[in-house]
Amino acid sequence: GIQVEQSPPDLILQEGANSTLRCNFSDSVNNLQWFHQNPWGQLINLFYIPSGTKQNGRLSATTVATERYSLLYISSSQTTDSGVYFCLNQFYFGTGTSLTVIP
Amino acid sequence: AAGVIQSPRHLIKEKRETATLKCYPIPRHDTVYWYQQGPGQDPQFLISFYEKMQSDKGSIPDRFSAQQFSDYHSELNMSSLELGDSALYFCASSFWQGKNIQYFGAGTRLSVL
Repeated sequence: GIQVEQSPPDLILQEGANSTLRCNFSDSVNNLQWFHQNPWGQLINLFYIPSGTKQNGRLSATTVATERYSLLYISSSQTTDSGVYFCLNQFYFGTGTSLTVIP
Repeated sequence: AAGVIQSPRHLIKEKRETATLKCYPIPRHDTVYWYQQGPGQDPQFLISFYEKMQSDKGSIPDRFSAQQFSDYHSELNMSSLELGDSALYFCASSFWQGKNIQYFGAGTRLSVL
């Protein structure tokens, strides 16, 4: 199957800081999605982004399908942004980035 | 808007017992996916169904089986439960003719004692 590597694996931010999360794929991008898994385990849809750039409030995402990677930008981070961020390529989840935002 | 409904939300079983997890997709969605997420791990794809037929198969153990019914709901049947089956089980649904965006239920947390 497709290998999906995310970086960094862990990230600690001060509230208000910006961050970039990355997802690399071993094969072609197919129906790429980004999720936030909150502390209760729920997977919240952030973006469907097989290519190009999208923005939603403080979050934005870019996928460069030809180079097999996607980026998730979080600006002005808040404590509620804490959790694990996953990318999903078809059926294959990335290894996740665990984000902790401290006040 | 209606979301993916999973039941039960929590389930406690003993080793060697059986369990059945249910998933009700978003109305008009025709595709259902099952994933297993062990503690501290990323979700792993188990199996998917499109129009009541198995469409793709992942790392589903032989002890597990699943099906999609005529009303598009799906059930994951798990037999001879092992301690290692303790996990969060997610169901997702999508509309195949569209962008095939997966929407996830809240999950069923299975604990095998």
